[in-house]
Amino acid sequence: KQEVTQIPAALSVPEGENLVLNCSFTDSAIYNLQWFRQDPGKGLTSLLLIQSSQREQTSGRLNASLDKSSGRSTLYIAASQPGDSATYLCAVPLGGSARQLTFGSGTQLTVLP
Amino acid sequence: DTAVSQTPKYLVTQMGNDKSIKCEQNLGHDTMYWYKQDSKKFLKIMFSYNNKELIINETVPNRFSPKSPDKAHLNLHINSLELGDSAVYFCASSHQQGRDTIYFGEGSWLTVV
Repeated sequence: KQEVTQIPAALSVPEGENLVLNCSFTDSAIYNLQWFRQDPGKGLTSLLLIQSSQREQTSGRLNASLDKSSGRSTLYIAASQPGDSATYLCAVPLGGSARQLTFGSGTQLTVLP
Repeated sequence: DTAVSQTPKYLVTQMGNDKSIKCEQNLGHDTMYWYKQDSKKFLKIMFSYNNKELIINETVPNRFSPKSPDKAHLNLHINSLELGDSAVYFCASSHQQGRDTIYFGEGSWLTVV
């Protein structure tokens, strides 16, 4: 059974700081890993999708890495802004038939102006 | 244009009632999902449909019945609502189950009183 853990559960940083969010998973037989952002009262927005053959993906100030062998992924946010405040979730499809997405419980990020 | 849209956004109803949540996607995806987010913000898959066929049913009470009239629509009908059904229900879609980016709707907030 796949379990996804995100640390820390909450993080508060001053504007301009670089920060790292962590995600770990127990079953390394994954097709990919996705990072999502959820704003209060809103749905999830996909930020980055890393395929199992990739080591990292970048989009603007975001960089996500994947280390399948150790069951870890990190989301690096450069030069954080108050608008980055949200809950960040990572999710992996279960291996084999890739039939479902298992989510972590999220990291609630607050960037202080 | 909204990619994944679900209605209603908010729903307050009494125990024992029957209610439906509708979902439509205009992305041309083959696969649609229903996820439930509980009070602790944990997201868990309920159902997955691929080309109108049920693929995943994750230990969901049979009071919950999904219906897919075509591959662009996946509705969720709930019978005999219970207090514990109060949650946010998210519809989502993707090209292939668990292999591609998943797009989420904005959620339907269900409160059972």
